[in-house]
Amino acid sequence: GNSVTQMEGPVTLSEEAFLTINCTYTATGYPSLFWYVQYPGEGLQLLLKATKADDKGSNKGFEATYRKETTSFHLEKGSVQVSDSAVYFCMGGNEKLTFGTGTRLTIIP
Amino acid sequence: EAGVAQSPRYKIIEKRQSVAFWCNPISGHATLYWYQQILGQGPKLLIQFQNNGVVDDSQLPKDRFSAERLKGVDSTLKIQPAKLEDSAVYLCASSFGRGLHEQYFGPGTRLTVT
Repeated sequence: GNSVTQMEGPVTLSEEAFLTINCTYTATGYPSLFWYVQYPGEGLQLLLKATKADDKGSNKGFEATYRKETTSFHLEKGSVQVSDSAVYFCMGGNEKLTFGTGTRLTIIP
Repeated sequence: EAGVAQSPRYKIIEKRQSVAFWCNPISGHATLYWYQQILGQGPKLLIQFQNNGVVDDSQLPKDRFSAERLKGVDSTLKIQPAKLEDSAVYLCASSFGRGLHEQYFGPGTRLTVT
């Protein structure tokens, strides 16, 4: 069945640092892939998505590229801000979507 | 546009008691999901409805959990009887369609079983 393996956290970075959170998937065919974010005290919300190989999803300075050759969908941001502190979840699959375990990101001023 | 509504926000019960959660999805969303999120883990899908029919309930512990979505709008999730390991946040989400559509999440209900 489908599964998503996400980089374990927590991750702590200084403001303006480069961010990568790894996500790999196991699925047949061409699954759709998503990154969801949960800010403190708020509900889960979609950050970005990609539905086919080589697609790049982007939002709020975050990017992730769907790479079929490495079955990966790593989340990146060139310069993080304190406001990016949150828990990030990778999600993916075909008809059945599965969440990763989440990565807690803390940005220090 | 109103978001996904859930109630209650918090609930504390003793083991072997019963509890029910309510969800009102975004208007016009045909697909409704219930997830269980245990502390430190990602959300786990319990049940998925398409209108008022069940699409996937393969991870729902049917001996104690039940869910319904009458008239294809609101939904309730019930646990009877509760166990200590049911302590978690229960999330409701809705989407316009199945599978690849963005899911919109409610604030969740935090359940503590003592």
